[in-house]
Amino acid sequence: QVQLVESGGGVVQPGGSLRLSCAASGFTFSNYGIHWVRQAPGKGLEWVAFIRSDGTTKYYADSVRGRFTLSRENSRNTLFLQMNSLRPEDTAVYYCAKGDSGTYYGHSEYWGQGTLVTVSS
Amino acid sequence: DTQMTQSPSTLSASVGDRVSITCRASQSVEIWLAWYQQKPGKAPKLLIYRASSLESGVSSRFSGSGSGTEFTLTISSLQPDDFATYYCQQYYTSPTFGQGTKVEIK
Repeated sequence: QVQLVESGGGVVQPGGSLRLSCAASGFTFSNYGIHWVRQAPGKGLEWVAFIRSDGTTKYYADSVRGRFTLSRENSRNTLFLQMNSLRPEDTAVYYCAKGDSGTYYGHSEYWGQGTLVTVSS
Repeated sequence: DTQMTQSPSTLSASVGDRVSITCRASQSVEIWLAWYQQKPGKAPKLLIYRASSLESGVSSRFSGSGSGTEFTLTISSLQPDDFATYYCQQYYTSPTFGQGTKVEIK
C-alpha cells in the first residue's frame, strides 16, 4: 500500500533552518510528482511546493520562494524540503502528498501523517 | 494566483440532510478541481477530482459538479462520519485551496 512518512519537524528559532524528509513506499516513486502542503494551527490548507518526478522542475508558493528548496533522491524514494530563514508564520504541520502525474500538479490521493514545525524564540 | 472562495464557512446540518458546498474560482480552472475532507488531527482525504470524478473507495453519497469558476460538492444524505471540514483545491495553475467549510451537527 502507498505510504508517505514525513520526518524532521521540530522547534527552531526565527531565522533558523530545518530539513524535512518524506519517505515514500508502495508505488514507483520516480514516476510521480510530490507536493508539500502545510496547515498552521487552527487554519486551512496552504500549498507550499511541488517537484516533478525527475526532480528537474520545482514550483513554490510566493510565501516560501527563495527560502525553501525542494529536492528528491529517486534511488532512495525520498523527498526533501530544505527550509531556511524560517519565520514564525511558517509554523505549521507540513504534509507531503503524492501527485497523480509525473509532470503536472494534479490532485493528491495519498498524504503523509504530517510533521510539525514550530518557529519560535 | 487563482483565489478560491468557499461558501458557507460553516454549515449546521442533521443526519440525513442533503448538503451542498460551493467553491468559486477567481478565474477559470476548467475542470481541474478537487475536494478533500479533513478531520481534526488527520491528513486530508481526497473525495472528488477533476470536478466530478469520485475517488475510489469514497461513498457515492458524495458528488461533485461544475466547471470554469463555479463548483459544488454535494452530500446526498449526511452521515455521522461526514461531520468534518471540507476544502476545494484548484490545480489548473499553481495550486490553491479554499478556506474550508466546517460541517457541524445541528
